[in-house]
Amino acid sequence: SQQGEEDPQALSIQEGENATMNCSYKTSINNLQWYRQNSGRGLVHLILIRSNEREKHSGRLRVTLDTSKKSSSLLITASRAADTASYFCATHLLITQGGSEKLVFGKGTKLTVNP
Amino acid sequence: AAGVIQSPRHLIKEKRETATLKCYPIPRHDTVYWYQQGPGQDPQFLISFYEKMQSDKGSIPDRFSAQQFSDYHSELNMSSLELGDSALYFCASSRGDPSYNEQFFGPGTRLTVL
Repeated sequence: SQQGEEDPQALSIQEGENATMNCSYKTSINNLQWYRQNSGRGLVHLILIRSNEREKHSGRLRVTLDTSKKSSSLLITASRAADTASYFCATHLLITQGGSEKLVFGKGTKLTVNP
Repeated sequence: AAGVIQSPRHLIKEKRETATLKCYPIPRHDTVYWYQQGPGQDPQFLISFYEKMQSDKGSIPDRFSAQQFSDYHSELNMSSLELGDSALYFCASSRGDPSYNEQFFGPGTRLTVL
């Protein structure tokens, strides 16, 4: 079954607004990573948050992790048209839980920021 | 800074042909991962190598094989290509403990099977 599930699947906002995307997962993780992907292009790493961390910031990005709820959120503040892309969460599972080095990606949220 | 290099960037093949995708990891990275992303899909893990040995295997068809060479570059060989193999193929590399270090992704190879 899919480890990471993002919601919403699609989000459309106006420039300047904040965008919040959520990710839920099922098993214990080592870390959770957020990626951005422009249509048909490569994956751009945004933030890695470890299982013992609760919040991380990078520029206009804020990521939270709640391991008790097995969920994470990505907040983009003061969004810009250039933020339009798909955003994926990817979990790195605990080796002891049958995980390995691989990342398990969620289905992604397609964000559209209207000028 | 050097990034992960993938070649070719685009590849068009006919059904039942063979394709070879190459990945050159970031210098001093010892682990290479391959992912497949179908149209409108999320990336799916195929296979990984650590120090030239296969370390993990995902949903990789038997028609596909891969290896990591002494210079740490990796090749994904795909035979008897099918229409459903059309996808973006990403290579990623990392160094050290994968639990703590991010995987750096290459730009991808877009394979189209006609």
